[in-house]
Amino acid sequence: EPEVTQTPSHQVTQMGQEVILRCVPISNHLYFYWYRQILGQKVEFLVSFYNNEISEKSEIFDDQFSVERPDGSNFTLKIRSTKLEDSAMYFCASRNGGAGNQPQHFGDGTRLSIL
Amino acid sequence: AQSVTQPDIHITVSEGASLELRCNYSYGATPYLFWYVQSPGQGLQLLLKYFSGDTLVQGIKGFEAEFKRSQSSFNLRKPSVHWSDAAEYFCAVGLTGTASKLTFGTGTRLQVTL
Repeated sequence: EPEVTQTPSHQVTQMGQEVILRCVPISNHLYFYWYRQILGQKVEFLVSFYNNEISEKSEIFDDQFSVERPDGSNFTLKIRSTKLEDSAMYFCASRNGGAGNQPQHFGDGTRLSIL
Repeated sequence: AQSVTQPDIHITVSEGASLELRCNYSYGATPYLFWYVQSPGQGLQLLLKYFSGDTLVQGIKGFEAEFKRSQSSFNLRKPSVHWSDAAEYFCAVGLTGTASKLTFGTGTRLQVTL
């Protein structure tokens, strides 16, 4: 069964540095998402992406965050000037087209640790 | 705005016993409803989903869930729990728009005793 893959599985970065989290969504999917889960807390929506543009973003997704689909397969989340509170598990998800009743498929996540 | 409540933070059941995990949602219309499971260090795996039609939906690993509109609930059940079911379970609501972000509950951690 096709999977969403995320790299790296664990990223350790110094505070203030930039980090790029990478995702390869399922190949025929059209909608892409990033979520994050701070340790011990619930999964929170960050951003959705469709037709090469952001379709919705949360309050968390401020100017320090950006997303890009640089080619036909990758979907990246960039965090500029990381802060301690950015430490979390970041999940990428994708889903097929059509109405919202197509389920989102999640990757295994990238654990981001800011020192 | 939509919201999801999972009132049980932690549940412990014996292997072979039945299980029910509670989920209540708040949304102005009938939402799309999902249950995901997360094993330690792993991603989120879809167990089952409800969009419309039959209010009792079957999922993977022997799980089922029932949508009750009058109670705004979507409880997850399993008749006989296995030790491998120990994990964190998340209920989620999806909006009916095209972007359809998911709003998750806080999760219920299931512990299974032998």
